[in-house]
Amino acid sequence: QQQVKQSPQSLIVQKGGISIINCAYENTAFDYFPWYQQFPGKGPALLIAIRPDVSEKKEGRFTISFNKSAKQFSLHIMDSQPGDSATYFCAASRLTGGGNKLTFGTGTQLKVEL
Amino acid sequence: DTAVSQTPKYLVTQMGNDKSIKCEQNLGHDTMYWYKQDSKKFLKIMFSYNNKELIINETVPNRFSPKSPDKAHLNLHINSLELGDSAVYFCASSQGLAVRNTQYFGPGTRLTVL
Repeated sequence: QQQVKQSPQSLIVQKGGISIINCAYENTAFDYFPWYQQFPGKGPALLIAIRPDVSEKKEGRFTISFNKSAKQFSLHIMDSQPGDSATYFCAASRLTGGGNKLTFGTGTQLKVEL
Repeated sequence: DTAVSQTPKYLVTQMGNDKSIKCEQNLGHDTMYWYKQDSKKFLKIMFSYNNKELIINETVPNRFSPKSPDKAHLNLHINSLELGDSAVYFCASSQGLAVRNTQYFGPGTRLTVL
C-alpha cells in the first residue's frame, strides 16, 4: 500500500522552464510535508517543506502548493536549471509509536536540458 | 565537517554472510534512523532510535539488528545476508522526535549481496 503517491516518474524540462511534480496522500494523520532532493551517489537532502495549515510556501525558485481537502501537494521549480537535475521525493510525516515516521513518495527523476 | 557519516560506502559480500554498517552524526541530534533505498529508488524507514532507545521498528526481518552505543552512533548489523538485502542503506538524524524536525541523511552504503 503506497501511502504517498508521486507523479510523474520522470520528467524532462528545458532550461528556464517550469518543473511540476505532484503528490497525493491518503492518511489524514500526516502533519508535515517535506520535499527531498537527491543527487546521484548522495543522500537525500531537505529542499522545502510545508505545514498542512498553509496553502503555499515559496523559497527562491521552489514553491510547494498544498490542497488539504484534496489531499494533494505539488512542487514547482521555476526557471529550471541543469543543476536542478536530480531525483525529487515528496514525503509526509506523522507521529507513530512516539516516533517521527517519514513516508516517501516513489520519486521523480528530473532532467533539465540546455 | 561531515554531519552524518557512514562506513563503508560500498559493501560487496556473499549470501549467508554477516555484515555491519556504521553511522555517526556530529550534529548533536537525539534521534537517528535507518532507511533502505531499493533498486527502484524507493525509500523506506527501517528503524528509529531516540536517545539510544528503539522507537520505530518497521517490520524489518530480525536478521537486521540496529545498535546505538550512544546518541551519536547507530550501527546496523545484518545476519545471514540474502540477495534481496541488496540496496542502498541510509542513516539519518534529527533533533528530537517532532514531525517538523528536519532529517539529515548520510551519503549511503551500497550493499551488494552475491
